[in-house]
Amino acid sequence: DGGITQSPKYLFRKEGQNVTLSCEQNLNHDAMYWYRQDPGQGLRLIYYSQIVNDFQKGDIAEGYSVSREKKESFPLTVTSAQKNPTAFYLCASRATGWGLNTEAFFGQGTRLTVV
Amino acid sequence: AQKITQTQPGMFVQEKEAVTLDCTYDTSDQSYGLFWYKQPSSGEMIFLIYQGSYDEQNATEGRYSLNFQKARKSANLVISASQLGDSAMYFCAMREGLRGGNKLTFGTGTQLKVEL
Repeated sequence: DGGITQSPKYLFRKEGQNVTLSCEQNLNHDAMYWYRQDPGQGLRLIYYSQIVNDFQKGDIAEGYSVSREKKESFPLTVTSAQKNPTAFYLCASRATGWGLNTEAFFGQGTRLTVV
Repeated sequence: AQKITQTQPGMFVQEKEAVTLDCTYDTSDQSYGLFWYKQPSSGEMIFLIYQGSYDEQNATEGRYSLNFQKARKSANLVISASQLGDSAMYFCAMREGLRGGNKLTFGTGTQLKVEL
């Protein structure tokens, strides 16, 4: 089955530690996105990548880093510089091309809690 | 400036009634796409409907329709014959074209509660 897999589903981190969230897709999509969602809030864009070895900052990139070494993978590292990392993180991917009518497919999300 | 604005934090509707969820957007691109997603309490994001900026007719998908008013930059979601299972968070999103860097931006969402 094609889809997006995020792991782990739940993650606990001690203050001051870096942690990496995994996002893998087998949909052959070029574009991938990372969003942060706080309780009762919308999705805020952290980073996005339109092609391998290239990525752009979103609206709230500070304290986060990403890499895109493979088309299938777009891991997100939450660094110790992120002051309030407790949130629900969603990864998405979509096909790109001339048309814009390709919806984004989402993973199941990772709930990160700082303890 | 907010790219996507959803002004209704919460909405209530009675079962079998229709409900409209508001969404306005802001972009300087001529070519863009508008989406609606549903997020149940489980957290998954479910794609509902799409409207392209050049589409002349309003999009429809089953009980969902999108009331697209380009001049007013609004893309409201209409759910007809509401069901209890429609209770969820609903997000409006916009994907801009090249000028907007192909970003996919979401609004803050509307929590819909369907009552008996």
